[in-house]
Amino acid sequence: GAGVSQSPSNKVTEKGKDVELRCDPISGHTALYWYRQRLGQGLEFLIYFQGNSAPDKSGLPSDRFSAERTGESVSTLTIQRTQQEDSAVYLCASSLVGTGGTDTQYFGPGTRLTVL
Amino acid sequence: GENVEQHPSTLSVQEGDSAVIKCTYSDSASNYFPWYKQELGKGPQLIIDIRSNVGEKKDQRIAVTLNKTAKHFSLHITETQPEDSAVYFCAASIGDSSYKLIFGSGTRLLVRP
Repeated sequence: GAGVSQSPSNKVTEKGKDVELRCDPISGHTALYWYRQRLGQGLEFLIYFQGNSAPDKSGLPSDRFSAERTGESVSTLTIQRTQQEDSAVYLCASSLVGTGGTDTQYFGPGTRLTVL
Repeated sequence: GENVEQHPSTLSVQEGDSAVIKCTYSDSASNYFPWYKQELGKGPQLIIDIRSNVGEKKDQRIAVTLNKTAKHFSLHITETQPEDSAVYFCAASIGDSSYKLIFGSGTRLLVRP
């Protein structure tokens, strides 16, 4: 596809369970980003990948959150032992370069996570 | 820490009128300021951006102005149409970072037919 895709689109889970959220960036984009968007709020930066490395994980809210990227393509955001405050929309974006000059971030549709 | 404030939180205008959304930022080193439009159930989409070496940029009915001295920037939409109804977010780069953006809290724009 031409754009960033994310799956699942919706995820309902019980408190304490682990969840995995997937992002497929635009082909050829070396930079990938994860954001969290709480209801009615702006986007919070979580983590940035350049290739398969994550030089900036400063936005991850706790050690329950982790992310990886493989093949300079797909990324997975994992939340362990989910809590109700983790309920939010998780957005993924990708950009062509990410370094050497700010380039446009293209967003996916997001995964809406609800923790009961 | 770095902060971006966005006003108003909601804005209702009559079709054909203009809409203005304002943002202020705290980091004097910020040099990139994109605006995103988010429709219900979709991810944000870039509509216009401006860099610090420019004071104004225009694209058809949309314009953005930047005042680096005052550390504020604004989005102007003229001749609004019902399809402009959405949530708009401003953002500012953090320092001289080429990748890290801090977002405003969003403005819900409603264009009444």
